[in-house]
Amino acid sequence: GNSVTQMEGPVTLSEEAFLTINCTYTATGYPSLFWYVQYPGEGLQLLLKATKADDKGSNKGFEATYRKETTSFHLEKGSVQVSDSAVYFCALSDRNNAGNMLTFGGGTRLMVKP
Amino acid sequence: DTGVSQDPRHKITKRGQNVTFRCDPISEHNRLYWYRQTLGQGPEFLTYFQNEAQLEKSRLLSDRFSAERPKGSFSTLEIQRTEQGDSAMYLCASSLRAGGDTDTQYFGPGTRLTVL
Repeated sequence: GNSVTQMEGPVTLSEEAFLTINCTYTATGYPSLFWYVQYPGEGLQLLLKATKADDKGSNKGFEATYRKETTSFHLEKGSVQVSDSAVYFCALSDRNNAGNMLTFGGGTRLMVKP
Repeated sequence: DTGVSQDPRHKITKRGQNVTFRCDPISEHNRLYWYRQTLGQGPEFLTYFQNEAQLEKSRLLSDRFSAERPKGSFSTLEIQRTEQGDSAMYLCASSLRAGGDTDTQYFGPGTRLTVL
């Protein structure tokens, strides 16, 4: 079956530090990969996505590259801000499944201190 | 705002009671999904609709759960005879299935259920 594993948090960083949140996946087919972010008290928001190998998704200074050879989709940001404090979820959608339902990792809480 | 909306945002009920949640998707979206998220975990798929047809249900969706999407617009999720283990955030998402590229799912704010 499909599964997503991401590093456990919380990850605590100082403002302007470099961020990496690791995500690896197992999929029976050829998945699309996503990062969603959940700010305190809010719903899940799509942060970025990549649909094929070597694609790079990017948004709001965050980037992630679809690495098929290592089955990974690590999230990076060069300089985090306090406003980036949230829970980040890596997810996949298996295109072999007609429903395109998402399989999520357990989430990684990021705390950025001023 | 034309995003996904859910009602109510919070529901507290006693064990054994029935509860119903509503989701209004983005208006032109033909797919609607329900997920469940327990504290500290990622969301888990429950079921999805394409238009009014319920096409897949997870094994997580016990007989006490039922979902509908009449007329292919809003959807309801009902839980009968609630148990304490049903306490969770229930998330709704919608997408436009237009063929070709992977459709992106847009999530609502969720309904937090607490069963006492």
